[in-house]
Amino acid sequence: AQSVTQLGSHVSVSEGALVLLRCNYSSSVPPYLFWYVQYPNQGLQLLLKYTSAATLVKGINGFEAEFNKSQTSFHLRKPSVHISDTAEYFCAVKGGSQGNLIFGKGTKLSVKP
Amino acid sequence: EAGVAQSPRYKIIEKRQSVAFWCNPISGHATLYWYQQILGQGPKLLIQFQNNGVVDDSQLPKDRFSAERLKGVDSTLKIQPAKLEDSAVYLCASSMEGFLYNEQFFGPGTRLTVL
Repeated sequence: AQSVTQLGSHVSVSEGALVLLRCNYSSSVPPYLFWYVQYPNQGLQLLLKYTSAATLVKGINGFEAEFNKSQTSFHLRKPSVHISDTAEYFCAVKGGSQGNLIFGKGTKLSVKP
Repeated sequence: EAGVAQSPRYKIIEKRQSVAFWCNPISGHATLYWYQQILGQGPKLLIQFQNNGVVDDSQLPKDRFSAERLKGVDSTLKIQPAKLEDSAVYLCASSMEGFLYNEQFFGPGTRLTVL
């Protein structure tokens, strides 16, 4: 069965700093992986997705993620964060016979001025 | 393009009462999902519809939860009777059919508080 683990429930960085949010997956088949962002009192918005093409995936708002098969990881990073990036970030993998999403527990990112 | 609509946005009820949530997916999206997001956790799938048929309800507590999708468009999720542990945000999402990795578009959610 597929699953994802997000390391670190809270991350706090200063504006302009590099941020790395960690995600490790478990999958018996080639995975389809996603990163979603959730702003306060809003639904989830897709940042980027990996679908077995390039291992470095670029998403919206300057975010990117690298798929590493040997380390079963799909870490999200942004070279220079902005205060508006303060939100909760979820890693997810397509799982099950019907392709529903299986989410990690999320990482709350706080960007300080 | 209009997004996924949900109502109400907030609901407060007492335990043992019933409650219903409504979702209108993006026009043309055949697949509709209901997720439960408990505070501090990621969303968990409750039920998945393909058009108006159920394709996965393995994690739906069927003794108290029910859902329907009439005419393959709008959907309603009901809880009867509610328990304290049902306090959560209920998210509706929709996607096009045909591709395994199709993006799911999420609504703003309904925040349920059971007292």
